[in-house]
Amino acid sequence: GAGVSQSPSNKVTEKGKDVELRCDPISGHTALYWYRQSLGQGLEFLIYFQGNSAPDKSGLPSDRFSAERTGGSVSTLTIQRTQQEDSAVYLCASSLVTLVAGSTGELFFGEGSRLTVL
Amino acid sequence: GNSVTQMEGPVTLSEEAFLTINCTYTATGYPSLFWYVQYPGEGLQLLLKATKADDKGSNKGFEATYRKETTSFHLEKGSVQVSDSAVYFCALKGASKIIFGSGTRLSIRP
Repeated sequence: GAGVSQSPSNKVTEKGKDVELRCDPISGHTALYWYRQSLGQGLEFLIYFQGNSAPDKSGLPSDRFSAERTGGSVSTLTIQRTQQEDSAVYLCASSLVTLVAGSTGELFFGEGSRLTVL
Repeated sequence: GNSVTQMEGPVTLSEEAFLTINCTYTATGYPSLFWYVQYPGEGLQLLLKATKADDKGSNKGFEATYRKETTSFHLEKGSVQVSDSAVYFCALKGASKIIFGSGTRLSIRP
């Protein structure tokens, strides 16, 4: 597609439920990043993918969080047993190659998925 | 570790006022520095960047100079417009990820 697409744009869930957030990167972009933007906080790095592999998942807050990428394209971020502190905007970004591979650092962001846990 | 600190907002200015948003960084070496902007209802987008010390990045009337002596990358614009209202993020290029500051919300009054 023309840009990074994320779905759903808004998700309201009850505490304890599982949620899946989807990211469709720009076609041909091998690098994909997930960030979290909480109220009053900056962008918190979660994980990045090079192709289908995740060399750095150090930002995932707990083992309730997982992510996968298939076909070198779409990525899904899954949060199990959601908690109220998981409420945030989850941002996905892509770039042609990873920073490690020599990217200039320009990331292309989607509009985000706003998650509210009641 | 690497980190970015930027001035807290919100910042409210009148149209045509001069803008400065302060940003300082802590890093090993001299990483590339960026300003990203998030307009209402849109995704973050790169506004400008500088890849080495003393470089000046510029775009849309905004400028920022990479100052290694003060480890700073302050964002400036001489005359802001209502359309500049957005959230601005200072960032640096880490080894495997972009590290962002907390963001500064800017509102411009007509």
